[in-house]
Amino acid sequence: DVKVTQSSRYLVKRTGEKVFLECVQDMDHENMFWYRQDPGLGLRLIYFSYDVKMKEKGDIPEGYSVSREKKERFSLILESASTNQTSMYLCASSLLINTGELFFGEGSRLTVL
Amino acid sequence: DQQVKQNSPSLSVQEGRISILNCDYTNSMFDYFLWYKKYPAEGPTFLISISSIKDKNEDGRFTVFLNKSAKHLSLHIVPSQPGDSAVYFCAASWDSGGGADGLTFGKGTHLIIQP
Repeated sequence: DVKVTQSSRYLVKRTGEKVFLECVQDMDHENMFWYRQDPGLGLRLIYFSYDVKMKEKGDIPEGYSVSREKKERFSLILESASTNQTSMYLCASSLLINTGELFFGEGSRLTVL
Repeated sequence: DQQVKQNSPSLSVQEGRISILNCDYTNSMFDYFLWYKKYPAEGPTFLISISSIKDKNEDGRFTVFLNKSAKHLSLHIVPSQPGDSAVYFCAASWDSGGGADGLTFGKGTHLIIQP
């Protein structure tokens, strides 16, 4: 059974804190993605990676960075959290970069106070 | 600029009837389209997809229709069941010839199935 696991379901952080969101997939997929979901805005792509140590900016990369040191793990980093980064963060992986089905984790609900 | 549009934020349908969810796109380069379903507090799950070389794809109660000339696709659910109540996202992608762009999602339509 395919699995994308996000380390934290719910986090509460203060403005200015550094935040790490971890994601692990067990499907040996090359491609991994970070999206955020906000009401009325749908899913927006933050960053993606198509190989270890490779990363590409998505549509809204500002305020975020990522790390892909191992194939199965893709981390999203908020260097200095701000209130407008309060959101649901969704990690996904896929075998094919553009025509493949995305497998999503359960999401991490981040609240920045 | 929104490239994938779902103009109905919500849709209410009676159980047993047909649910039709619509999606429009502006980028003529898109050649692969997917529908995802999302329950609250869960990640989206893949539902059905269609390639631009087809105009219809069917999987059980779910059928996706693609009208390339109108840049429009729709998801039909027949018959609608209470468990179909969820947010449905339309997504599109295209082969950028060596680049990698992932999927572009619409804003979602909240489908509510009334008993």
